[in-house]
Amino acid sequence: DSGVTQTPKHLITATGQRVTLRCSPRSGDLSVYWYQQSLDQGLQFLIQYYNGEERAKGNILERFSAQQFPDLHSELNLSSLELGDSALYFCASSVPPDEKGGYTFGSGTRLTVV
Amino acid sequence: GEDVEQSLFLSVREGDSSVINCTYTDSSSTYLYWYKQEPGAGLQLLTYIFSNMDMKQDQRLTVLLNKKDKHLSLRIADTQTGDSAIYFCAESTAGGYNKLIFGAGTRLAVHP
Repeated sequence: DSGVTQTPKHLITATGQRVTLRCSPRSGDLSVYWYQQSLDQGLQFLIQYYNGEERAKGNILERFSAQQFPDLHSELNLSSLELGDSALYFCASSVPPDEKGGYTFGSGTRLTVV
Repeated sequence: GEDVEQSLFLSVREGDSSVINCTYTDSSSTYLYWYKQEPGAGLQLLTYIFSNMDMKQDQRLTVLLNKKDKHLSLRIADTQTGDSAIYFCAESTAGGYNKLIFGAGTRLAVHP
């Protein structure tokens, strides 16, 4: 157990629908990062939050949004889902900058859009 | 710009050494990382190296950094079947503070 909790582990939904992925960071970590891992595009950075504020944005579609709450958990909202949104979505957390460097990843949410 | 490249596959025999290579483009990178992903699991941080270091050793793992050529390698000594996984190289410009840019991952297959 890495300490980063993602729910649900699996999600199957239809095109056009909206889903919410949840992430609880490791205790004490202030930053949360979201990544999308698909077969054809590898691991793509989506967005970063630090202590409730958006810190950096990557290749995140306008149909996607995220937020980090006062208790530091984060949610990634995906709307108007398309088949191509099927992927593994990872959350990671860190205390920037920590001694060891790098992030701690959750085990991911596998999203299948049918 | 930021880009990290890795070869996609590596096959080695059990007991041999594995060397996974990575090149990156951002000369301002301060930390470089190696992550391991086993099937159905998240990414696990294996090791990291600060850009002012040339080498770092941690048990069976040796990281070599050639900053001039922007080349990073991960050597796994005495490779075991349990080392079969995807290995990702990643760069960051300020430790864990900014986003990590990942390579596409190298799938390591260890055969008897």
